[in-house]
Amino acid sequence: KQEVTQIPAALSVPEGENLVLNCSFTDSAIYNLQWFRQDPGKGLTSLLLIQSSQREQTSGRLNASLDKSSGRSTLYIAASQPGDSATYLCAVQTDMRFGAGTRLTVKP
Amino acid sequence: ETGVTQSPTHLIKTRGQQVTLRCSSQSGHNTVSWYQQALGQGPQFIFQYYREEENGRGNFPPRFSGLQFPNYSSELNVNALELDDSALYLCASSLVGSGRTYNEQFFGPGTRLTVL
Repeated sequence: KQEVTQIPAALSVPEGENLVLNCSFTDSAIYNLQWFRQDPGKGLTSLLLIQSSQREQTSGRLNASLDKSSGRSTLYIAASQPGDSATYLCAVQTDMRFGAGTRLTVKP
Repeated sequence: ETGVTQSPTHLIKTRGQQVTLRCSSQSGHNTVSWYQQALGQGPQFIFQYYREEENGRGNFPPRFSGLQFPNYSSELNVNALELDDSALYLCASSLVGSGRTYNEQFFGPGTRLTVL
């Protein structure tokens, strides 16, 4: 059974700092891994999708990497802004299993 | 291009009642998935429909059932509501190719269900 873990559960950083969010999974037989952002009480916004054959994806200030052999993915956020404050979730697909998320607060 | 929409936004029911939640997929998508998200937790996979047939199910009892229609809109039905069913219910649509390759999922805003 696939287990997905996100560490840390919460993170608070000053504006402008670069940061890394971690996602680990137990079964490397995945189709892809997707990172999402969720604002309080809202739905999920897709940030990046990494197919199983890929090692990383980039979009603007975001960079996500995937290492299937070690069961890890990281989401790198450059030059963080207060508007980046949200919960960040990773999900691995075969059956779209989510981690519990990392709640990020960026302080002005 | 129209995104994923869900209705209603909020819903209050009492224990034992039945509820139907609706989802309209993003244009061109043939797959819809439903998730339950309890407060402070990640979404949990309920089931997925691909071209109107169930294509996978999570660890949810049979009182959770669904439908996907020819226009790829979808319903989630929950019978005999329990207090623990209170949660945010999310649907997501995607385009799955003929080789069942899995592509990016796009989520709706969710339906907040409260069971009293």
